[in-house]
Amino acid sequence: GAGVSQSPSNKVTEKGKDVELRCDPISGHTALYWYRQSLGQGLEFLIYFQGNSAPDKSGLPSDRFSAERTGGSVSTLTIQRTQQEDSAVYLCASSLEGTRAYNEQFFGPGTRLTVL
Amino acid sequence: GEDVEQSLFLSVREGDSSVINCTYTDSSSTYLYWYKQEPGAGLQLLTYIFSNMDMKQDQRLTVLLNKKDKHLSLRIADTQTGDSAIYFCAETGAGNNRKLIWGLGTSLAVNP
Repeated sequence: GAGVSQSPSNKVTEKGKDVELRCDPISGHTALYWYRQSLGQGLEFLIYFQGNSAPDKSGLPSDRFSAERTGGSVSTLTIQRTQQEDSAVYLCASSLEGTRAYNEQFFGPGTRLTVL
Repeated sequence: GEDVEQSLFLSVREGDSSVINCTYTDSSSTYLYWYKQEPGAGLQLLTYIFSNMDMKQDQRLTVLLNKKDKHLSLRIADTQTGDSAIYFCAETGAGNNRKLIWGLGTSLAVNP
């Protein structure tokens, strides 16, 4: 399968612990996005990567959240000192920019994070 | 600020048409999108429309765009039970066609 993959699919952690969420984009996709979807809420933009750089990280809710992307491919979203309000589904998407004017984003299945 | 609004629920009978509405605030959006999220599946792009168009048709789907009123709609003809899903409207953020601004999603229930 050549789709976007995310791991783990489910993560349960205790308040105060750090977590790392991983995203493998579609091969060759230069853009990568992280979103958060809370119960009853829409998709909340977190951060956007173009290659390994993040021109837009305006959606990160606090300095406990950080993300990196290496080799223009895999990305890791790290949440430090997790809080209960961090519980949500974290979605990753990738897109192939430069060949089309519109931006079709391909989504992974998400990581469901539960902070106890 | 940028905002996209949708009604949260819609229920129709199988075979009827469904119309899902969306309003947005950013008049500079170049593209508007409809994504579909089925239970247990990821979000998928359903269709999109360029802002200089007022209608786009793709098989059972018709997208109408009223740019003056900043209103977007998705019509599904002959709705089937397999169309039951959450439908998200999204617009490109101001000055940046990478970042999408999303509505909360409309949950469509199709009753036999």
